[in-house]
Amino acid sequence: DAGVTQSPTHLIKTRGQQVTLRCSPKSGHDTVSWYQQALGQGPQFIFQYYEEEERQRGNFPDRFSGHQFPNYSSELNVNALLLGDSALYLCASSIGTGGWETQYFGPGTRLLVL
Amino acid sequence: AQSVTQLGSHVSVSEGALVLLRCNYSSSVPPYLFWYVQYPNQGLQLLLKYTTGATLVKGINGFEAEFKKSETSFHLTKPSAHMSDAAEYFCAVIIRNQGGKLIFGQGTELSVKP
Repeated sequence: DAGVTQSPTHLIKTRGQQVTLRCSPKSGHDTVSWYQQALGQGPQFIFQYYEEEERQRGNFPDRFSGHQFPNYSSELNVNALLLGDSALYLCASSIGTGGWETQYFGPGTRLLVL
Repeated sequence: AQSVTQLGSHVSVSEGALVLLRCNYSSSVPPYLFWYVQYPNQGLQLLLKYTTGATLVKGINGFEAEFKKSETSFHLTKPSAHMSDAAEYFCAVIIRNQGGKLIFGQGTELSVKP
């Protein structure tokens, strides 16, 4: 049973560019959440998708947007990249949105903005 | 606002010694509580969680944690440290009835000396 997968593993962009990160959830999972983890920090919640809709959003600007597809996979898009967007981006999948379900994390995409 | 505080950004123990990683939360109602471990250049793996029922929770790799409502704490312990336990540990909460947004602490790096 494949776990959560993310692509690409690493990415280098320059300021002002746009980036798209991808996530495939664990088999049977219908909910995808995205987190940003800056170096030396705990992950910060970006948003959560369920039934192809954004259900919850953290304290991130509109430059951060996402999408969930009918097969439950998800994309995270970041526009007008800033140096401060350099971080590890983690995707987590779970079943439902009750909160008590375990969120399973992927290995992350490391984004470097120059 | 809800928050998670992990006391000690770095903890060092000798192999075979007790591991104690501290976590306190701030929330008006008892949240769901989680401990995750992160090995270098990897995603997060769930060690254990408390949602309801018995307040002493056992997890993987010999770890356990006890939910103490009066102290708003969820400290992680392991009786005997192993070299393979060296990693970053994150305490996290989800506020009940507010979806699946994980709120993480800053993390504690555990070092194990031979």
